[in-house]
Amino acid sequence: GESVGLHLPTLSVQEGDNSIINCAYSNSASDYFIWYKQESGKGPQFIIDIRSNMDKRQGQRVTVLLNKTVKHLSLQIAATQPGDSAVYFCAETPTGGGNKLTFGTGTQLKVEL
Amino acid sequence: DAGITQSPRHKVTETGTPVTLRCHQTENHRYMYWYRQDPGHGLRLIHYSYGVKDTDKGEVSDGYSVSRSKTEDFLLTLESATSSQTSVYFCAISVTSGNHEQYFGPGTRLTVT
Repeated sequence: GESVGLHLPTLSVQEGDNSIINCAYSNSASDYFIWYKQESGKGPQFIIDIRSNMDKRQGQRVTVLLNKTVKHLSLQIAATQPGDSAVYFCAETPTGGGNKLTFGTGTQLKVEL
Repeated sequence: DAGITQSPRHKVTETGTPVTLRCHQTENHRYMYWYRQDPGHGLRLIHYSYGVKDTDKGEVSDGYSVSRSKTEDFLLTLESATSSQTSVYFCAISVTSGNHEQYFGPGTRLTVT
């Protein structure tokens, strides 16, 4: 069945370093892959998405990479800041699935000062 | 926050009692969603709506019903709450027809004793 999973439950990085959060997916027919950030006590917040026909997309301090060969998605955060501390979820919207997002289980990013 | 509010924010109820959670939006967006979030499962879609009186089931719809009689309100009802429905419930909306960009409310923490 369809599944979106994360390699590491917790990632600790030093402030100023780059962070890389990884995600594996199983549905190769997915249209879009999305990253959400969830701060403690709040709802998830959309960060960036990438369409399945792209390999890379950049935003402000974030880059998402998509490797369809190995069904791998990653979120890179440049110059990680304390405000980046949160749980990060990958999600996918399968081809023909319309608005039914499938979320991964999340990675906790901790930024150490 | 895309003008999304949820009520109540916290609720404790007993097994077997009915519970209704409300999601209210102020910007007349067409698509609305209900998710539950549990440790180890990420977010899972319960039900969604693509217009007034138009709803459909998500991944974990058993034990839940929804109603949308007005654009701005999407209600989630647990007809007879069970302990397995203890969770944090999030409402979300889609701003555009590209529904993977969803905006989430602050969540409702429901405890069923």
